[in-house]
Amino acid sequence: AQSVTQPDIHITVSEGASLELRCNYSYGATPYLFWYVQSPGQGLQLLLKYFSGDTLVQGIKGFEAEFKRSQSSFNLRKPSVHWSDAAEYFCAVGAAQAGTALIFGKGTTLSVSS
Amino acid sequence: GAVVSQHPSRVICKSGTSVKIECRSLDFQATTMFWYRQFPKQSLMLMATSNEGSKATYEQGVEKDKFLINHASLTLSTLTVTSAHPEDSSFYICSASVDRGDYGYTFGSGTRLTVV
Repeated sequence: AQSVTQPDIHITVSEGASLELRCNYSYGATPYLFWYVQSPGQGLQLLLKYFSGDTLVQGIKGFEAEFKRSQSSFNLRKPSVHWSDAAEYFCAVGAAQAGTALIFGKGTTLSVSS
Repeated sequence: GAVVSQHPSRVICKSGTSVKIECRSLDFQATTMFWYRQFPKQSLMLMATSNEGSKATYEQGVEKDKFLINHASLTLSTLTVTSAHPEDSSFYICSASVDRGDYGYTFGSGTRLTVV
């Protein structure tokens, strides 16, 4: 079955501390992997994506993610969290072709404490 | 580039009425559009996939007669919630896959539907 697991429902990080959000996937084909961020009542903003090549991908707002095929993981990291990073984060997987819907994880809520 | 405009952003309607949500691709042709539903504090659940000029494909458990999807052109897809009830209140988001050199997905800004 195709699925995305985000094991952490809610994470609280101190401002300035590092962050890692976990994502594991199960997908029958070559996965295309994405991380999105959503602020309350808003749509989704793409942070980064992985299609192929270098397994460490850089995104916007200082985020990066590493694809580990052996672990079926695509964890999101940021070295220093800012208060404005508080939001909902979704990991998603899709097929290597247009016309296939993304499958989303349940999301991780990030709170940032001062 | 690759912008999807979704309207309305918020709508309140009475039980029993119908509501139409529009998604327009502004600078590309959206051959395929996806419609998601998001309950509070939950993930996005795929409702249906629509291809321009053909009938939408609905996910299991989604009532096709309640959630009418039309994708009559390459730039417009609509979702109509018919005979809405309070349990239909939710956040609806459309998405299109972008088949360009930098393949990816683009999302509308979402529609908050409240049925009273």
